[in-house]
Amino acid sequence: EIVMTQSPATLSVSPGERATLSCRASQSVSSNLAWYQQKPGQAPRLLIYGASTRATGIPARFSGSGSGTEFTLTISSLQSEDFAVYYCQQYNNWPPTWTFGQGTKVEIK
Amino acid sequence: EVQLVESGGVVVQPGGSLRLSCAASGFTFDDYTMHWVRQAPGKGLEWVSLISWDGGSTYYADSVKGRFTISRDNSKNSLYLQMNSLRTEDTALYYCAKDLPTTAWGQGTLVTVSS
Repeated sequence: EIVMTQSPATLSVSPGERATLSCRASQSVSSNLAWYQQKPGQAPRLLIYGASTRATGIPARFSGSGSGTEFTLTISSLQSEDFAVYYCQQYNNWPPTWTFGQGTKVEIK
Repeated sequence: EVQLVESGGVVVQPGGSLRLSCAASGFTFDDYTMHWVRQAPGKGLEWVSLISWDGGSTYYADSVKGRFTISRDNSKNSLYLQMNSLRTEDTALYYCAKDLPTTAWGQGTLVTVSS
């Protein structure tokens, strides 16, 4: 079973600053890595898939990088609407089971 | 527009059963693997189960294996989750989700297992 570990658990950032979130897999997941944003009372929203491809409608300030076991989500200049919880997710080719990290909460500093 | 609408969540006693449904629209349902994901109150996301486009393959998280059964009816564009032998730790918001990369999620249906 692949375990996904996110760090830090909480990130305090000022609006306009850069935020860097990390995700580590217990074994290689190649580029089968996605990032989601979740706000209170809402379903998760896909930001990135394939480790670095932005989903439709996602602003360019969100970028993903990495492969294998180490991944990063970068938000280049935090906007007020970006304060939320972020999850990484690995997805196998087959069977296409999913595993989520425990989440990183991005809060206002 | 892709839409997924879950229903069936209620309060149920430990040991009880429940069937969740997910109505899909806005895409060719029988082209896609579908998933159930849950989120306990104040906690993170936990993948529960998946079913292949034709229903021929199903997979489950260890935490629900042997108790939950996923199924689909492509003629009705619907996904289901039969939940038996429910435990208090199954209390969560249950989401249905379309497979990646063009994933979509519903808004969830709340299952509360409590005496």
